[in-house]
Amino acid sequence: AQKITQTQPGMFVQEKEAVTLDCTYDTSDQSYGLFWYKQPSSGEMIFLIYQGSYDEQNATEGRYSLNFQKARKSANLVISASQLGDSAMYFCAMRETNNAGNMLTFGGGTRLMVKP
Amino acid sequence: DTEVTQTPKHLVMGMTNKKSLKCEQHMGHRAMYWYKQKAKKPPELMFVYSYEKLSINESVPSRFSPECPNSSLLNLHLHALQPEDSALYLCASSQDPLSGPSGYGYTFGSGTRLTVV
Repeated sequence: AQKITQTQPGMFVQEKEAVTLDCTYDTSDQSYGLFWYKQPSSGEMIFLIYQGSYDEQNATEGRYSLNFQKARKSANLVISASQLGDSAMYFCAMRETNNAGNMLTFGGGTRLMVKP
Repeated sequence: DTEVTQTPKHLVMGMTNKKSLKCEQHMGHRAMYWYKQKAKKPPELMFVYSYEKLSINESVPSRFSPECPNSSLLNLHLHALQPEDSALYLCASSQDPLSGPSGYGYTFGSGTRLTVV
C-alpha cells in the first residue's frame, strides 16, 4: 500500500513571502504520479500541480512549483509571493494504479494561513 | 465544460430517510469516484467506476449504494445512515481509468455537505 505523509498540520506565512509545504511518499511502484490540491473552506478541491515519476524537470504552474526529489521520495510544494487568498488546506496526493483502475490517495493535509 | 457538478450542495436527513447525491460531468471522462471527507481529515475513497462499471469498493457499508446510469452521471443512494456518516461527499472524474500515471488529472466537484440527524 502506498502512503503519503504531510508533517506540517498548520503553517503561517507572511503575505508576499514564499512558503514550502512538505510531502513525502512511500511506494514500490516505478511509475506513479503526485498531485497537490488546495481546499478552501468552501470544500472544493482545486488542482494545483502535477509531477510524474519519470518527469526529469520539476513541475511549475504560475506561483506554484514542485520540488521533486525522487531518491528521497519527497514532493514539496513551493508557493511564491503568498497572497491572502492562499489561506486554505493543502493536500498532497498520489495516484495508485492497479488492474481495477486508478485512484488518488491523500496525505493528511497542511493548513496554510497567510498573515497580512 | 470542464466541471464536475454535484447536487445538492447541502443535505440534512434523518436516520430513516432515503436520499440520493448526484454527480455529473460532460468532459468525456470514463472514470468517476466518490470520496468521503470528515472534518479536518483528508478525503477517503469510497467507490470507483470505470467505464460505467463498479471497479473498486473500499469496504463501504451497504447503506451507501452507488449507481452509474451512464458515462456522465454518478449517483450515491443513501439509506438508514448514522450520525457518524455526516461528512463532505466529493465526486471526482478522470479521463482514462486504466492509464498509467501521466498528466491525466482528476476534476473534483464542490461536494455535498451531508448532516445526518
